[in-house]
Amino acid sequence: DQQVKQNSPSLSVQEGRISILNCDYTNSMFDYFLWYKKYPAEGPTFLISISSIKDKNEDGRFTVFLNKSAKHLSLHIVPSQPGDSAVYFCAARGPNYGGSQGNLIFGKGTKLSVKP
Amino acid sequence: GAVVSQHPSWVICKSGTSVKIECRSLDFQATTMFWYRQFPKQSLMLMATSNEGSKATYEQGVEKDKFLINHASLTLSTLTVTSAHPEDSSFYICSAQISMNQETQYFGPGTRLLVL
Repeated sequence: DQQVKQNSPSLSVQEGRISILNCDYTNSMFDYFLWYKKYPAEGPTFLISISSIKDKNEDGRFTVFLNKSAKHLSLHIVPSQPGDSAVYFCAARGPNYGGSQGNLIFGKGTKLSVKP
Repeated sequence: GAVVSQHPSWVICKSGTSVKIECRSLDFQATTMFWYRQFPKQSLMLMATSNEGSKATYEQGVEKDKFLINHASLTLSTLTVTSAHPEDSSFYICSAQISMNQETQYFGPGTRLLVL
């Protein structure tokens, strides 16, 4: 059973517009959430994170929103650029999950395509 | 900062042979390293957590005798796939965490393994 879900496998956005990537989770014990960007055949690159005690974190063009009551978070990219085209993974951290401390539970990813 | 390297970036081997993958944190000391595996169009799945100087903690369903992990120092962890079979063909990615209090994991570029 997936504890972190990214229900949209792909998203296409026009350059300059806002990209909104969504992520839902089921485990209320998750205390930290991260977004990673991944290109094919490369490791994920950390983008932005948010603690469960906050509802918003902003870093340049990237903003992550957390709605704990809905167990939902989203990544906003504005303005979107063609170089943002990649797969975006949402990840959650739960203490002592599965016997391992600090490990991350990943969603399946959303492929973002930003068209010029 | 926070650069993680992996070697080799890709490897092709015959069934039955063993393959060693190295993961190094280049500009920081990592108390904990993680090994993930990603199958095509799937999410990253945690295989094991590696703490320097102690035995690795394996996730459920991951055979510790098949996937040998050695965390020899604060900058190096190795994953050895023993007696590799075609079903072990996958993309293996490591990540490193500066300390248990740091939530962010920094990922290596990954190793593509193809077992013939």
